[in-house]
Amino acid sequence: EAQVTQNPRYLITVTGKKLTVTCSQNMNHEYMSWYRQDPGLGLRQIYYSMNVEVTDKGDVPEGYKVSRKEKRNFPLILESPSPNQTSLYFCASRERDKTQYFGPGTRLLVL
Amino acid sequence: GQSLEQPSEVTAVEGAIVQINCTYQTSGFYGLSWYQQHDGGAPTFLSYNALDGLEETGRFSSFLSRSDSYGYLLLQELQMKDSASYFCAVLNRDDKIIFGKGTRLHILP
Repeated sequence: EAQVTQNPRYLITVTGKKLTVTCSQNMNHEYMSWYRQDPGLGLRQIYYSMNVEVTDKGDVPEGYKVSRKEKRNFPLILESPSPNQTSLYFCASRERDKTQYFGPGTRLLVL
Repeated sequence: GQSLEQPSEVTAVEGAIVQINCTYQTSGFYGLSWYQQHDGGAPTFLSYNALDGLEETGRFSSFLSRSDSYGYLLLQELQMKDSASYFCAVLNRDDKIIFGKGTRLHILP
């Protein structure tokens, strides 16, 4: 089954404790993105990647890091999480000019 | 800059027709997409328009006018399960997808 998976689905952590949210897709897509969704603000892109070892900042990259060492994986790293990073996070993948497929989402609470 | 405008909320009656509008401003336009998101779920793709005109997929249709930087999603024969948020999204020449803030559709029985 073609899908995008994210882990963990839910996470509660404390300020400053490094965390990684994993994302994996099995569709051999070149493009992958991370979004955060907050009430009233829609989906805002954090980072995206057009291929292995090619990443670029989205609209809200501050406080986040990503890497794309393999085509299927695109982890999101929060080196020192802060409460304003409490949000719902979605990973997504697509081919160029094509439909974007979203993962199930990760709910993060930073205390 | 780049921006998309869509109404924050729309209310309609079960069985009726509703139109959700989207206007956009972007640097180089490739196409306009629509996504549906139910509460607690992930966005799912509904339609994509690269050329002017109407695209129909079952009860849902999407329209694009590139000259007016405008598009809409038309939902017919509304069902209660159509209650969700709907996002328009632009694919621009930088190969980025930019989302609007979403329209919450309320359906009354």
